[in-house]
Amino acid sequence: QSALAQPASVSGSPGQSITISCTGTSTDVTTYNYVSWYQHHPGKAPKLMIYDVSKRPSGISDRFSGSKSGNTASLTISGLQAEDEADYYCSSYTTRTHVLFGGGTKLTVL
Amino acid sequence: EVQLVESGGGLIQPGRSLRLSCAASGFTFDDYAMHWVRQAPGKGLEWVSGISWSSGSIVYADSVKGRFTISRDNARNSLYLQMNSIRAEDMALYYCAKGHTYGGNGGYDAFDIWGQGTMVTVSS
Repeated sequence: QSALAQPASVSGSPGQSITISCTGTSTDVTTYNYVSWYQHHPGKAPKLMIYDVSKRPSGISDRFSGSKSGNTASLTISGLQAEDEADYYCSSYTTRTHVLFGGGTKLTVL
Repeated sequence: EVQLVESGGGLIQPGRSLRLSCAASGFTFDDYAMHWVRQAPGKGLEWVSGISWSSGSIVYADSVKGRFTISRDNARNSLYLQMNSIRAEDMALYYCAKGHTYGGNGGYDAFDIWGQGTMVTVSS
């Protein structure tokens, strides 16, 4: 099964807002509210930022928010900061293989 | 401190076997499902396998089904991945990850704690 579709890269200036999309199909994102987002700084452990589409784990800044419309889930980061520069991955429940990740999006803070 | 520490990676020839381990600390290990997720060099994350808190439910990605076996020892707070018939495409950094849901069944979950990973290099 192919990965969920994410843009390869996005960029923004400090203080701005950016949105990363994650597009799936009827067997995953469209039908189930089980979408998570991870921040991954190279060389470090990935970090859970959002789960169940829009819930934030304890300790995660409210600058990070998640949403979903149809077959596309989105991660929005507001008030962009230099330390937000990282790779971001979405994941979703899928009927076929249980867990499916997106291909990843590299966020550059200009 | 909540922590996952993987070990057991290394250089391995195609067709051979390798066993990865993950030592957990700082949380009640047998309350949560555990998972293995891998990242091939220059690629994205790929879920490999998950196991429920009781080992009663185990699931695998199609890419490793029949070759890899996940297991856990709750008395030792440890997770394992037995990798048999290793292929070139199995070369990756292997992460151990804790499922977010209390009593999770090993299928889909959010992964709220990750280790630093252990590298498996496949080469003849």
